[in-house]
Formats: sequence, C-alpha cells, structure tokens
Amino acid sequence: AQSVTQLDSQVPVFEEAPVELRCNYSSSVSVYLFWYVQYPNQGLQLLLKYLSGSTLVKGINGFEAEFNKSQTSFHLRKPSVHISDTAEYFCAVRLNTGGFKTIFGAGTRLFVKA
Amino acid sequence: DAGVTQSPTHLIKTRGQHVTLRCSPISGHKSVSWYQQVLGQGPQFIFQYYEKEERGRGNFPDRFSARQFPNYSSELNVNALLLGDSALYLCASSYIMGSSYEQYFGPGTRLTVT
Repeated sequence: AQSVTQLDSQVPVFEEAPVELRCNYSSSVSVYLFWYVQYPNQGLQLLLKYLSGSTLVKGINGFEAEFNKSQTSFHLRKPSVHISDTAEYFCAVRLNTGGFKTIFGAGTRLFVKA
Repeated sequence: DAGVTQSPTHLIKTRGQHVTLRCSPISGHKSVSWYQQVLGQGPQFIFQYYEKEERGRGNFPDRFSARQFPNYSSELNVNALLLGDSALYLCASSYIMGSSYEQYFGPGTRLTVT
C-alpha cells in the first residue's frame, strides 16, 4: 500500500524568506509524485509533478521540488515567498502502473507573514 | 476553455437523506475522479471513471455510488447520509495519454449534513 506523510502541519514564514515543505512517501512500486496548492474555498491546482528523468522539478509560481528515491522524499521549496503564497499545500503519489488512484498527504498550511 | 465545473456549490442535508452531486469535465477529457476532503485533511479517493466504466474505487461504503454519462459528465450519489459525510467533494478530470496524465480539479461541492 502507498502512503504519504507531510511532516509539518503548519509552516509560518516571513515574506521574502525561503521555505521548504517536507513530504515523505511509502510505496513498494514506482510512483508518480505531485504537489498541489489549495487556496481557501477553491479546488486543487497542480504546482508540479515528477514522472521520470531529472530529479529536480520546476513548477509554477517559482516553486521547485526534488525527488530523492533513497530517502523516498519529495520536498517542495521556494527561495522567496510572497504573501499570496499563503495556502494549503498537498503532496500526492500515484502508481505509474496505469491505475488512477491518487493518495494525498494531510496537507501543510503555509502562512506567510509580512 | 471552461475548467471542471461542479454543482451545486453548497448543499445542506439531514441525516438519512440522499444526495446527488454533479461534475462536468473539461471538454475532451474522458476520465472523471471523485474525492472527499474532510475539513483539515487531504482529499481521499472515492471513484474513478473512464469511458463510462468504473476503473477504480477507494475504501468507501456501498452508500457511495457514481456513474459517468455518454458526454463524460458524472454524478456522485450518497445514500443514507451520516454526519461524517460532511465534507468538500472534489471532482477531477483528465485526458488519458499513456500512463502519465494530469488531473484538473473543480472547485468542489461543500456538503453539510445536520
């Protein structure tokens, strides 16, 4: 079975500071990895995804993530955050064997302070 | 192009009642997935439909059912509502291209069971 653990439920950070949101996953088979963002009262928006190839993935809004197979991690980073980045962030995994089921972590609330 | 649309936006039901939630995928998308997001948690996979057939089911009771129509829109039905069914129900659509694909989420239907 697959599982996703987001290690921080809340991350407060000052504007223009760097941030890292941590995600670890468990799976006995190969998976695809995703980060989504959810703004209040909205659905989920894809930030970035890792399917194969380069382990450093760049996404929208200046976010990037690094896939580490040995540590089964997929941490999300941004070098300088803005107030508008305040939102809930979800890490997710999906089997790459043709199945459609996506497993989400519990989410990390990023709060950017002025 | 219109994104994924869901109706209604909000819904209040009482215990024991039945509810139907609707989803229209992005034009050209043939797959629809349903997720339940309880407050403070990540989305949990309920169903996946592709070409009008169920292709995946999460760990939800038989009170939950769904179907996909010839125009690829979908309905999620929940019978005998319980207080614990209160949640944001998200629909996501995707266009299957090989084994890597992206899901696009709608804004969700907020269901409150009293």
